[in-house]
Order: sequence, then C-alpha cells, then structure tokens
Amino acid sequence: KNEVEQSPQNLTAQEGEFITINCSYSVGISALHWLQQHPGGGIVSLFMLSSGKKKHGRLIATINIQEKHSSLHITASHPRDSAVYICAKASNYQLIWGAGTKLIIKP
Amino acid sequence: GAGVSQSPSNKVTEKGKDVELRCDPISGHTALYWYRQSLGQGLEFLIYFQGNSAPDKSGLPSDRFSAERTGGSVSTLTIQRTQQEDSAVYLCASSLHPGNTEAFFGQGTRLTVV
Repeated sequence: KNEVEQSPQNLTAQEGEFITINCSYSVGISALHWLQQHPGGGIVSLFMLSSGKKKHGRLIATINIQEKHSSLHITASHPRDSAVYICAKASNYQLIWGAGTKLIIKP
Repeated sequence: GAGVSQSPSNKVTEKGKDVELRCDPISGHTALYWYRQSLGQGLEFLIYFQGNSAPDKSGLPSDRFSAERTGGSVSTLTIQRTQQEDSAVYLCASSLHPGNTEAFFGQGTRLTVV
C-alpha cells in the first residue's frame, strides 16, 4: 500500500463545476503539500498544511489530522485549471508523493 | 534569484556519456531535493541534502548517479555512462527547512538519452 493515496486518478469536468481531489496517508506527518504540475512539466507549490484549512483564490485545501485525510477543492473551475494535482506528505525529511490526479476541465 | 533555477533546461546526450545537471536553490533554503519523473510516471525521490549533514542518497537508482551540494547552496546531479532508461525530467526543489515548510520547484531539466 502506498503511503499516500490520491483519488480520483483522473477527473474530467465541465467549466464551472466544483472539483474535489482527495488524499489519504497512512502514517503521521509534519505537513502535507498540494502541488500542481502543468502539461509543460513545471511544478508549482499550492499549499502546505499542518492543520485546518487554507484558501487561495478559487483553491481551498483542508486537512483532518485525526483521519489522515486532506482534500483540495477548486471552485468555479476553468480550463486553465487543467493539470496534474499532486499530494505529498512531509515525513521526517522526505516528501512522499501520491500518484497524482489528472484534471481536465472542458469549456 | 527569486526562485529555484535549473540548468540546462534540455539536454540530449548519447548513451554512455556523462551528464551534469545543476540546481540553484532559493537563497537561504537549507533543504534541497532531487527528483525525477520518467514519461508517464510519478515523481521519484533521488537524493536529499540538509545543511551540512550527510545527504540521504537512498533514492539514487544506481551507482552511476551521484550528487553534491557545494557550500550548502548549488547542487549538481551527475549521471555517468548514461542509459536510455535515464531519460526523464529531473526536478530540483528547495525549502527553508526540511519537510514542514513549503517546497519550491525548479522548472526541471529534460534529459534525453539517445
């Protein structure tokens, strides 16, 4: 079993839909990261969470430490949100990656 | 610079040649990570540097791979006697402290071994 599990692996939605991507991890963490990788390959760090909730524009990330679960939400999705979203947990000094969720937003 | 800088952005090399990839982390960041992403695969951890501590090399796939970080800043990843399976995007990231602070990524070096 991977230490970090993401779902769904692939998600296609229409512009404007509310998007949720889930991440579960198997052992305790010091922090959890959400990252975005565009088709060109560049990776952008979206959030780093230790507890609670963070919001940046249309993106919201939440984490439940007790349940070892985090979610990334996108409100009013747009085609430019199409990317691979990666959940990664910080454990000791390594970042342990999930497999990523490929999101496609159709106009 | 303002962000993590990697060079070259693209590298095509012949099988059997050695290559060096460079990473300039954000100034003041003590933690530096190397990852690679092969076509259609997820990110694979290669090596981690933290300050002056001995690096964690547990992710290096073979002894043809090595990395160093000079003066706690710039890092070079060296691949000797490259093989076609080494073709991948090599990503470098840095963070202020290990693990529990935001990691910033370079744009990567796309390595193609022909």
